[in-house]
Amino acid sequence: AQRVTQPEKLLSVFKGAPVELKCNYSYSGSPELFWYVQYSRQRLQLLLRHISRESIKGFTADLNKGETSFHLKKPFAQEEDSAMYYCALRGLSGYSSASKIIFGSGTRLSIRP
Amino acid sequence: EAQVTQNPRYLITVTGKKLTVTCSQNMNHEYMSWYRQDPGLGLRQIYYSMNVEVTDKGDVPEGYKVSRKEKRNFPLILESPSPNQTSLYFCASGRKNTGELFFGEGSRLTVL
Repeated sequence: AQRVTQPEKLLSVFKGAPVELKCNYSYSGSPELFWYVQYSRQRLQLLLRHISRESIKGFTADLNKGETSFHLKKPFAQEEDSAMYYCALRGLSGYSSASKIIFGSGTRLSIRP
Repeated sequence: EAQVTQNPRYLITVTGKKLTVTCSQNMNHEYMSWYRQDPGLGLRQIYYSMNVEVTDKGDVPEGYKVSRKEKRNFPLILESPSPNQTSLYFCASGRKNTGELFFGEGSRLTVL
């Protein structure tokens, strides 16, 4: 079964400190992983995907298949990073898996000045 | 402006009174999906559609119906709402077989 776990409901760090939002997944085949973000009063939007291997707004995420993790990291947090972050998975095996995009329960990141 | 539009944004209704939440996208996306967001449970998929006249159940389809008569519209229908359907609902669309979803602003539904 597909599952995405975000163990932290809330993460609070000081401005300038490193940030790591944890995401673990369960999927028997080959997955595609994403991070979505929702800033206050804005729509949920894609932040980054593992396939792109890009850094967006200073955030990076590496897919670790051995640990089945896709943690989101940023070396120096900024106040504008405060938001709700969701990890998501799309299976790449089979019709039904490709249609399901599963989200974790989300982590609220709060950056303290 | 490319976007996903949901209506109504807020609704309070009573048990058993049929309601429809509309969703429309102007990006010519094949894929559309409905999610509900509940505290501690994240976003759970209700129904999705890969194209016109093609719909399928997500993880929590009970009590909901959908239709996809046109590419741009994907309404969510609650035939007989119950209090456990009180939630925040999101519609999303995307190109087929990609994981990039574009979300609506959400519709907060309260069933008394």
